[in-house]
Amino acid sequence: GDSVTQMEGPVTLSEEAFLTINCTYTATGYPSLFWYVQYPGEGLQLLLKATKADDKGSNKGFEATYRKETTSFHLEKGSVQVSDSAVYFCALREYGNKLVFGAGTILRVKS
Amino acid sequence: DAGVIQSPRHEVTEMGQEVTLRCKPISGHDYLFWYRQTMMRGLELLIYFNNNVPIDDSGMPEDRFSAKMPNASFSTLKIQPSEPRDSAVYFCASSYSGQRRTEAFFGQGTRLTVV
Repeated sequence: GDSVTQMEGPVTLSEEAFLTINCTYTATGYPSLFWYVQYPGEGLQLLLKATKADDKGSNKGFEATYRKETTSFHLEKGSVQVSDSAVYFCALREYGNKLVFGAGTILRVKS
Repeated sequence: DAGVIQSPRHEVTEMGQEVTLRCKPISGHDYLFWYRQTMMRGLELLIYFNNNVPIDDSGMPEDRFSAKMPNASFSTLKIQPSEPRDSAVYFCASSYSGQRRTEAFFGQGTRLTVV
């Protein structure tokens, strides 16, 4: 079945450092890929998405590129802020089907 | 739109009691998902509906859990009887299939504590 694998956390960075959170997936078809973010005490919010190969999703300085050849969708940000501290979830969805989430990666940014 | 609305936000109940969690999806959305989140197990899909019909309930942990969607604007997740290990945050999410493979929108969650 479909699955998503994320790098384990927590990831601890200093403010203005470069961020990469790795995500790889297994799917039978051609899924859409997503990154969600969860701030403490809140629900999951969509951060960015990509619906086909080579698409780049971007939002709030975060980027991720849909790489079909490596089945990856790594999240990057050039300069993190303390306010980016949250849990980040990679997810996929095939047509007419459920969302499949990775385990989540905790990001902690220190000032 | 107000987004996905869940109630209550917090619920504390005693072991053995019945608990009902409620969800109002975004108007026009035809998929509804119930997830459970714990530190140990992360985010787990319990059940999801399409056009009010349950499609996959394989994630429902036990017969003590049941979910219904009597109409397009309301769903419930019931636990009877509740146990301390059911303590978790329960999320409802909805999505629209019209654009295919779309994202889901999450509610704020219900934090359930069973003592």
